[in-house]
Amino acid sequence: QVQLVESGGGVVQPGRSLRLSCAASGFTFSSYAIHWVRQAPGKGLEWVAMISYDGSNKFYTDAVKGRFSISRDNSKNTVDLQLNSLRAEDTALYYCARAHFLTGYDYWGQGTLVTVSS
Amino acid sequence: DIQMTQSPSSLSASVGDRVTITCRASQSISNYLNWYQQKPGKAPKVLIYAASSLQSGVPSRFSGGGSGTHFTLTISSLQPEDFATYYCQQSFSTVWTFGQGTKVEIE
Repeated sequence: QVQLVESGGGVVQPGRSLRLSCAASGFTFSSYAIHWVRQAPGKGLEWVAMISYDGSNKFYTDAVKGRFSISRDNSKNTVDLQLNSLRAEDTALYYCARAHFLTGYDYWGQGTLVTVSS
Repeated sequence: DIQMTQSPSSLSASVGDRVTITCRASQSISNYLNWYQQKPGKAPKVLIYAASSLQSGVPSRFSGGGSGTHFTLTISSLQPEDFATYYCQQSFSTVWTFGQGTKVEIE
C-alpha cells in the first residue's frame, strides 16, 4: 500500500535550520511529483514547495523562497525539505503528499511538527 | 500566484441538510480544482478532483461542479461524519494554492 512518512521535525530557535524527510513506499516513486504542505496551529493549509518526478523542476511559495530547498533521491524513494533561517511563522505541521496535476493529492503523510521558538 | 477564495468560512447545518460551498479563483483555472476534507488531527483527504470527478471510495452524496473561476462542492444530505473542514485547491499553475477553508459545524 502507498505510504508517505515524514520525519525530522522538532523545536528549533529562530534563524536555525532543520531538514525534513519524506520516505515513500508502495508505488513507483520516480513517476510522481511530491509536494510539501504546511498547516500552522489552528490555521488552514498552505502549499510550500514541490519537486517534479525527476527532480528537474522545483517551485516554492514566496514566503519560503531563498530559505527552503527541496530535493529528492529516486534511488532511496525520499524527498527532503531543507529549512534554513527559520522564523516563528514557519511553525507548523509539515505534510508531504503525492501529487498529480489532474487528481491533486491522493496520498498524504501523517505530518511532522516544526516549532520555531526561542 | 492564483488566489482561491472560499465562502462561507464556516457554516452550521443539521444532519440531512444539503450544503454547498463555493470556491472562486482569481483567474481561470479550467477544471484544475480539487476539494479536500480534513478532520481534526488528521491529514486532508481528497474528495473531488478535476472539479467534478469523485475520488474512489468517496460517498456519492459529495459532488463538485464548475469551471473557469467558479466552483462548488455540494453535500446532498449531510451525515454526522461529514462535520469537518473543507478546502478547495487549484492545480492549474506550478504554484498550487488552497482556499482558506470552510468549517462545517453541527447546528
